[in-house]
Amino acid sequence: EDKVVQSPLSLVVHEGDTVTLNCSYEVTNFRSLLWYKQEKKAPTFLFMLTSSGIEKKSGRLSSILDKKELFSILNITATQTGDSAVYLCAVGSGNTGKLIFGQGTTLQVKP
Amino acid sequence: KAGVTQTPRYLIKTRGQQVTLSCSPISGHRSVSWYQQTPGQGLQFLFEYFSETQRNKGNFPGRFSGRQFSNSRSEMNVSTLELGDSALYLCASSPSGGQKTYEQYFGPGTRLTVT
Repeated sequence: EDKVVQSPLSLVVHEGDTVTLNCSYEVTNFRSLLWYKQEKKAPTFLFMLTSSGIEKKSGRLSSILDKKELFSILNITATQTGDSAVYLCAVGSGNTGKLIFGQGTTLQVKP
Repeated sequence: KAGVTQTPRYLIKTRGQQVTLSCSPISGHRSVSWYQQTPGQGLQFLFEYFSETQRNKGNFPGRFSGRQFSNSRSEMNVSTLELGDSALYLCASSPSGGQKTYEQYFGPGTRLTVT
C-alpha cells in the first residue's frame, strides 16, 4: 500500500532557529513530491520536486528530493512566527492527479 | 488570476440527507481533484476529473460521487450522510499536461458537519 510518512509530527522552535522537516515515501508509480503549508485554511503550494528538479529554493525555504533513498526534506532557515503552520508532504502517483499526503508536521515558532 | 472557489463554505446536515458541494477551478485549469480532510485520517484523495471524465477514484464508498462540467467546474455529491462524513472537503485544480497535473492549488474548502 502506498504511504507517505512525515517526521517529526510536531516541533517547537524559537524565532531565528533553522528547522528540517522530513518526508519518506513508498509509492508505486512515483511522479512528483510536493510540499504544502496549511494555516487553519486550505493548503498553500510551496514546492514541487520531480526527477528533473530535485532541488528547489524560495527565500528562506528550500527542499531536496532523494529519489534513490525515497525521501525529501524541507528546510526553513531564520524561522519567524509566521512560519507556524502544518507542513504537508504529498506524492503524485500514476498518470492522473492523485496526491497521497503524509500526516503533516505541526511547526510552532515562538517569539 | 482568481483562485479556486468552493461553495458553500459551511454546511450542517442531518444523517441520511444528501449534499452537493461545488468547485470552480482557476481559469485555464482543466483538472479538478477532491480531498477529504479529517483530524484522524488527514487528507485523503476522493477523485480526480479531467475534461469531464473521472480519471481516478480513491477508496471511498459509492455514496461519494462527482462530476465535471464542460467549463471545468466540478461538483461532488454525498448521499445518505453519516456522522463520519463530517470533514473539510477540499477541491484542488491544476494545469493539464505531464507533471503539471500534480501542481495542485487548493480552494478554501467546505466544512461539512453531519448531526
